[in-house]
Amino acid sequence: QQQVKQSPQSLIVQKGGISIINCAYENTAFDYFPWYQQFPGKGPALLIAIRPDVSEKKEGRFTISFNKSAKQFSLHIMDSQPGDSATYFCAANFGNEKLTFGTGTRLTIIP
Amino acid sequence: EAGVVQSPRYKIIEKKQPVAFWCNPISGHNTLYWYRQNLGQGPELLIRYENEEAVDDSQLPKDRFSAERLKGVDSTLKIQPAELGDSAVYLCASSSQAGGNTEAFFGQGTRLTVV
Repeated sequence: QQQVKQSPQSLIVQKGGISIINCAYENTAFDYFPWYQQFPGKGPALLIAIRPDVSEKKEGRFTISFNKSAKQFSLHIMDSQPGDSATYFCAANFGNEKLTFGTGTRLTIIP
Repeated sequence: EAGVVQSPRYKIIEKKQPVAFWCNPISGHNTLYWYRQNLGQGPELLIRYENEEAVDDSQLPKDRFSAERLKGVDSTLKIQPAELGDSAVYLCASSSQAGGNTEAFFGQGTRLTVV
């Protein structure tokens, strides 16, 4: 019940395109859903996060869409740039408990 | 403001040897986490501290792993003896519940290779 399932495992998008990564969770107690970006040799860094009281949150080119009834959330990267090439992890938790991470999506933006 | 600081960045040891990792969290963060990240996987929690108290160590292999957080600030994670399967990146993170914020900030990690 603690799993967070993430897809796809890898994604190649052309520069300027839209990158979409999907996650699904099982534990209905989760109340915080962050997305982390990780570059090689670096720790994960928070990109954007959402709580279940809203269905969408946008920060610049990054948008989280959240579907509470389906227990799914997704990350959309608009106008994808080569600098966005990284591994993206969705995660979930409640309160100050541990983050449960997805398995990651390796995103490559090609010119 | 300095972020989460970990050392060393890299460590190569022979199996059965001991190894220790150190973490200095962000100042004022009362919650500290140690995660292990295997290649191509997401981080998995090993232990979580609230101040100096370990409140979740259910995933810590206690036969060979130990951790401490003296005075509720810095923390060390130790493996003794190390096994080949312990090769991974060990990440430290910290967070503060001030204002209900649960954002966790991660250090750069220590990449451990056991040969």
